[in-house]
Amino acid sequence: GAVVSQHPSWVICKSGTSVKIECRSLDFQATTMFWYRQFPKQSLMLMATSNEGSKATYEQGVEKDKFLINHASLTLSTLTVTSAHPEDSSFYICSAPEAARGGETQYFGPGTRLLVL
Amino acid sequence: DAKTTQPTSMDCAEGRAANLPCNHSTISGNEYVYWYRQIHSQGPQYIIHGLKNNETNEMASLIITEDRKSSTLILPHATLRDTAVYYCIVRLGVNSGGYQKVTFGIGTKLQVIP
Repeated sequence: GAVVSQHPSWVICKSGTSVKIECRSLDFQATTMFWYRQFPKQSLMLMATSNEGSKATYEQGVEKDKFLINHASLTLSTLTVTSAHPEDSSFYICSAPEAARGGETQYFGPGTRLLVL
Repeated sequence: DAKTTQPTSMDCAEGRAANLPCNHSTISGNEYVYWYRQIHSQGPQYIIHGLKNNETNEMASLIITEDRKSSTLILPHATLRDTAVYYCIVRLGVNSGGYQKVTFGIGTKLQVIP
């Protein structure tokens, strides 16, 4: 199947700094990508939908000015956590869909673990 | 998207078939059944999806009842590496207006026992 990569795989930063996470579709183009976060022992929560060439769509309760999303090309979306605080520590995961038999297959990245001190 | 109901957890002996049930009684005619799994500390992995016919691939088989109100994911010979949380998700296909977001529920925690 198709491959989605994320970079970095883990990051530790000081409170107040900004962190950028990249999501790439390696062998297919993705006009849409999704960003999730997952707290320990909880399910994935969708944060936003990233659209190439237009603004991202954020889920209710997600601050768009704090979590900046840029879909720079058909294979790259970035999530920037601005002025990170300890409560932003989480597992961030992106996904990119590819059409398959009327439905589509969502390919997920390996995740980025963020720890804010 | 239609709501799904899955058991919270299941155990399966290594080498035996793991049968994971999912109820989706409010599924509509143009909604697909998808299965994903998430191994600890990794991103979710697509397993299989179907509309109304049974499907099989190298990972698993998906059995959908004739009325489409429930389905079963079958891992024919479970291994320890199949220990994961399995998510059953019902959603529209891409032909219904673009790529649809995936909403994850609690899923079923499958523990494969040696």
